[in-house]
Amino acid sequence: QVQLVESGGGVVQPGRSLRLSCAASGFTFSTYAIHWVRQAPGKGLEWVAVISYDGSNKYYADSVRGRFTISRDNFENTLYLQMNSLRAEDTAVYYCARGYCSGGNCMNDYWGQGTLVTVSS
Amino acid sequence: EIVLTQSPGTLSLSPGERATLSCRASQSVSSSYLAWYQQKPGQAPRLLIYGASTRATGIPDRFSGSGSGTDFTLTISRLEPEDFAVYCCQHYGSSPPSTFGQGTKLEIK
Repeated sequence: QVQLVESGGGVVQPGRSLRLSCAASGFTFSTYAIHWVRQAPGKGLEWVAVISYDGSNKYYADSVRGRFTISRDNFENTLYLQMNSLRAEDTAVYYCARGYCSGGNCMNDYWGQGTLVTVSS
Repeated sequence: EIVLTQSPGTLSLSPGERATLSCRASQSVSSSYLAWYQQKPGQAPRLLIYGASTRATGIPDRFSGSGSGTDFTLTISRLEPEDFAVYCCQHYGSSPPSTFGQGTKLEIK
């Protein structure tokens, strides 16, 4: 079955860095775009970044562009999010989600359980 | 940039009642890229509806989606206790690649 498992969250001071991972299994990882989506405490979902199936295209939300970098290792079936210059407003649960398009429809059909990042001094 | 506005913010209903949730886009979007998700406390979002009206695998038929252009609706025909959750619409687009509404909380009256 499709599984996405995030890791790497924790408490970090403002201005520091953190790298999140998302380990995928149960599907051919190298053929799917994968997204990072975050959710601040008590807030709604916010799209963060997406990487194409082969890593050749990457897009970022304005709020993280220039500070976060999305990458993937299709041999290790793992997605990454390198987060630099972290701010208090980056505090959130970070989810990875598979992007799936079929019959002209597109959606995020599978999600990980999330990993909590807390930016605090 | 497309903005999705959901209403109401909170909907209070009783089990057995019908729920109607709205998602309005700031400009016309393709129905193919409009999805709905359910999220319960402490859990990841779960895909309910894609292509504005197609139920995802395993989703009960009491859930239905409709709409086009700028106005989309998620309807739950008869609420079950497990349906009380937060519902969020999404436009899976191109610029930006994804946008979410702020969510509607469906609570027990």
